[in-house]
Amino acid sequence: KAGVTQTPRYLIKTRGQQVTLSCSPISGHRSVSWYQQTPGQGLQFLFEYFSETQRNKGNFPGRFSGRQFSNSRSEMNVSTLELGDSALYLCASSLGPSGGKTQYFGPGTRLLVL
Amino acid sequence: DAKTTQPTSMDCAEGRAANLPCNHSTISGNEYVYWYRQIHSQGPQYIIHGLKNNETNEMASLIITEDRKSSTLILPHATLRDTAVYYCIVRVGEHTDKLIFGTGTRLQVFP
Repeated sequence: KAGVTQTPRYLIKTRGQQVTLSCSPISGHRSVSWYQQTPGQGLQFLFEYFSETQRNKGNFPGRFSGRQFSNSRSEMNVSTLELGDSALYLCASSLGPSGGKTQYFGPGTRLLVL
Repeated sequence: DAKTTQPTSMDCAEGRAANLPCNHSTISGNEYVYWYRQIHSQGPQYIIHGLKNNETNEMASLIITEDRKSSTLILPHATLRDTAVYYCIVRVGEHTDKLIFGTGTRLQVFP
């Protein structure tokens, strides 16, 4: 079974631009979560989706948004990019939002904002 | 805020058992303990999880104390490829996938 895939793997943008990252969960998984990892802040939760509904959101500005499609694929968007948005963006999927359901992470998208 | 406390770093000789401790004194009765590891610049890799009982899989063993306030991840025969940052995580709640990562333990396996 294929793992979580994320595209693109690497991205370079300039300040003020916007970016869309894509995540394809493991087949059969309906829950997708997004995380941001930076050297200074570590791994931080962005948001989670289940059945196309955002169930939880982390403490990030409104420039960060996401959505989930009926096939469980998810996208996240960052508008008006800032230098501080340079990070590794990770997506994780699970069968559903439950304490006993394991999340599996993708390889991440490394975003560099110049 | 992270609900777990881990040592910042540990060393282990190749072939020996690596025992990584984690304190989670405020854990609730229905909260699971999860362990992930992250090798440089890769996505976190799931290792093992447990609720009350000790667990074992092909990668590791998880020992949870009876009061559930702490746990230990055991890699029985560490190899150089086990060098990574290991995260101990208490799942936030019953019906969410949200994980709160702490700073983890940087395990260095040496020859």
